[in-house]
Amino acid sequence: EAGVAQSPRYKIIEKRQSVAFWCNPISGHATLYWYQQILGQGPKLLIQFQNNGVVDDSQLPKDRFSAERLKGVDSTLKIQPAKLEDSAVYLCASSPRLAGVYNEQFFGPGTRLTVL
Amino acid sequence: SQQGEEDPQALSIQEGENATMNCSYKTSINNLQWYRQNSGRGLVHLILIRSNEREKHSGRLRVTLDTSKKSSSLLITASRAADTASYFCATDAEDSSYKLIFGSGTRLLVRP
Repeated sequence: EAGVAQSPRYKIIEKRQSVAFWCNPISGHATLYWYQQILGQGPKLLIQFQNNGVVDDSQLPKDRFSAERLKGVDSTLKIQPAKLEDSAVYLCASSPRLAGVYNEQFFGPGTRLTVL
Repeated sequence: SQQGEEDPQALSIQEGENATMNCSYKTSINNLQWYRQNSGRGLVHLILIRSNEREKHSGRLRVTLDTSKKSSSLLITASRAADTASYFCATDAEDSSYKLIFGSGTRLLVRP
């Protein structure tokens, strides 16, 4: 079974520029998550999708971050414009179960973003 | 906000020794999960313990859960150099739309 795919693996941009990350979850997984992991900290949930609907985006900085999951499969996360404090690893995860049933999550390798 | 907090923040042991990491959390949970993260890689799910379970084993891993104290521990027995990683607990809180909230992690170094 193929794992969660993410691209790019690394990205370096200057502040105020835009950037987009892509995630392809494990086939058939209904739930998709985007996390932000700042160096030395645990992952923080940004947004959770179930199929193509948003379940939770309470911690997504909506003035600069946006995410979509078209057709309930792939997802993109965009930052526009980026700030220095957005430097982090952005992790995508998927889960085979619908929200509410012991959601073990499968993580991709992440995209390391550096904002200069 | 962080739900789970791991203790210690860092741990260094000799290969063959046991490693114990602790996690404390604040609110009632459906389950608690432990994940491992190797340097520069994504997280890997290790084990899930439900709120009505007290202990669970998986290979060299043993997890305990004490809901009265809102705490869990992860024991890795007979550690190997390959166990060097960061370990995170994550709680699936009852009132959080079933999202996982991760702690800040324990960095484990196993010296050969």
